[in-house]
Amino acid sequence: DTAVSQTPKYLVTQMGNDKSIKCEQNLGHDTMYWYKQDSKKFLKIMFSYNNKELIINETVPNRFSPKSPDKAHLNLHINSLELGDSAVYFCASSHSGINEKLFFGSGTQLSVL
Amino acid sequence: SQQGEEDPQALSIQEGENATMNCSYKTSINNLQWYRQNSGRGLVHLILIRSNEREKHSGRLRVTLDTSKKSSSLLITASRAADTASYFCATDSPEGAQKLVFGQGTRLTINP
Repeated sequence: DTAVSQTPKYLVTQMGNDKSIKCEQNLGHDTMYWYKQDSKKFLKIMFSYNNKELIINETVPNRFSPKSPDKAHLNLHINSLELGDSAVYFCASSHSGINEKLFFGSGTQLSVL
Repeated sequence: SQQGEEDPQALSIQEGENATMNCSYKTSINNLQWYRQNSGRGLVHLILIRSNEREKHSGRLRVTLDTSKKSSSLLITASRAADTASYFCATDSPEGAQKLVFGQGTRLTINP
């Protein structure tokens, strides 16, 4: 069983469209994250949720809206996609916070044309 | 903002040799973590070392931490082709930012 699973793995779309990426973890963790990895492999945190509550919103445009229906799920919705949104988006989870190891999903490669 | 920086950016060695990667950071930390990322995959946790620890081992991996120099190193001994990957250090902040900040990684290539 995959611990942190995100779908889709690849997402190719036109500028201006709206898209969603889903993430689920079956580890029973309280905290989930979204990270963005750019073409230079630089990994930057976007959001962090603890038990369905937002605890970090890292200066991300409000076109990005995370939603956590329960502590096992953290979805990412992106409105009005722009070329600069092209990147790999990673979902991750940890037991209770950042002082523990993170478990990452396999990533969603988003390409905006 | 606080950020780990890995050095070198890329490293290519022969199978069987040891690989050493370094990480420097800017502010005080609670812990430092190392992750591996294979091409096209997510990051996998390798080792977490706390600020009061100086060295930690896991199999062929050895991590050191020097808080006075704000630096850490990851040593992979007897490298294998399967060790080919990018390696990232990540640091937290005791000031309560509650986020793990990653460096840009070292791209390690093991040549058979």
